[in-house]
Amino acid sequence: AQSVSQHNHHVILSEAASLELGCNYSYGGTVNLFWYVQYPGQHLQLLLKYFSGDPLVKGIKGFEAEFIKSKFSFNLRKPSVQWSDTAEYFCAVTDTDKLIFGTGTRLQVFP
Amino acid sequence: DGGITQSPKYLFRKEGQNVTLSCEQNLNHDAMYWYRQDPGQGLRLIYYSQIVNDFQKGDIAEGYSVSREKKESFPLTVTSAQKNPTAFYLCASRAALGSNQPQHFGDGTRLSIL
Repeated sequence: AQSVSQHNHHVILSEAASLELGCNYSYGGTVNLFWYVQYPGQHLQLLLKYFSGDPLVKGIKGFEAEFIKSKFSFNLRKPSVQWSDTAEYFCAVTDTDKLIFGTGTRLQVFP
Repeated sequence: DGGITQSPKYLFRKEGQNVTLSCEQNLNHDAMYWYRQDPGQGLRLIYYSQIVNDFQKGDIAEGYSVSREKKESFPLTVTSAQKNPTAFYLCASRAALGSNQPQHFGDGTRLSIL
């Protein structure tokens, strides 16, 4: 079965720092990949998704992610974080009709 | 506005009691899902349903039950057999069976044991 690894459990950054959160999935073939964000007290929201085509996908709020098939990776990036990016970030991959989530990365951004 | 409504927002359960969490969607989505979220463990799939009157077990179905009598509703019952029910429960839906569309999530229900 498919599995997802997020290696960074807790990341602390200052505003304007660059961000990269790692995400690896366990096996290849055709995959659909997602990054979701959960702001404090809010529901999970879709940041971005990859289905096919350009491996560099852009999402909301200046986030982007790069799909590297050879590395089974889908890392999330943002050039300059803001305090409002403080949240928990989840990577997910489809497995037939299910969505498999990573354990999440808690990001704290300090002014 | 279309969306997913979970109720109640907070729920308390006594030992040995069954409780039911509500999930309603008006997005006309075929597939619905229940997840459990625990700190440091991400989201784990409890049950999912792809069509009315049909559902499948997820990774941690023991101690839970569901029904799907209507397309828009997918209630989750946490039974007394679930020994560690304290968690945040999330309901989600997706447009169609086998689609690559993302899941939409409700605001969640936080369940605690008295």
